[in-house]
Amino acid sequence: DIVMTQSPDSLALSLGERATINCKSSQSVLNTSNNKNYLAWYQQKPGQPPRLLIYWASTRESGVPDRFSGSGSGTDFTLTISSLQAEDVAVYYCHQYYSTPMFTFGPGTKVDIK
Amino acid sequence: EVQVVQSGAEVKKPGESLRISCKTSGYSFPSYWIAWVRQMPGKGLEWMGMIYPGDSDTRYSPSFQGQVTISVDKSITTAYLQWNILKASDTAIYYCAYASSAVIFDHWGQGTLVTVSS
Repeated sequence: DIVMTQSPDSLALSLGERATINCKSSQSVLNTSNNKNYLAWYQQKPGQPPRLLIYWASTRESGVPDRFSGSGSGTDFTLTISSLQAEDVAVYYCHQYYSTPMFTFGPGTKVDIK
Repeated sequence: EVQVVQSGAEVKKPGESLRISCKTSGYSFPSYWIAWVRQMPGKGLEWMGMIYPGDSDTRYSPSFQGQVTISVDKSITTAYLQWNILKASDTAIYYCAYASSAVIFDHWGQGTLVTVSS
């Protein structure tokens, strides 16, 4: 099984600051045949279902603000919020979809406003 | 417009059976994977499994294999998650999600709260 870890568990920043969330997989999620990383990021606000933000590690989903970006390859990935807004308060999960049927989520990172 | 609408909240007793549903519309139902995800109270997301409606190819996470059954009814573009014997530990919100591309799950239902209590 691919185990996903995230750091930090939570962070609180001021409005406008940069937020950085790290995700690490226990095995590579890079498919060398197509050079794609099978890694997504989801945002979940209280009382709501998850929302897809990023897929293929760095492709922004349609409608997602460009302050959200994803990077990384292999086993190490980062979600960056370039300028934190009040509406970004949420829990963020990384998700590997490389290892079927055992797709897995990271434990989540809670983002708050300081 | 793609819609994913789940059935309403359920309150059941341990030992009872249950089937919850996920009604989809606005796309070619047989052609895209549908997944189920569990979220226990105050906890993170857990992958349960997924089904390809076209041929009912179903893949379960080992943690949920044998504990639940995922199925579809193509005639009404609906997916199901079923338990034969509920336990208190099945209390959770269950989400269904559909992948419009590959296995990238980009459309989610609103969630179904299942409460199992004596």
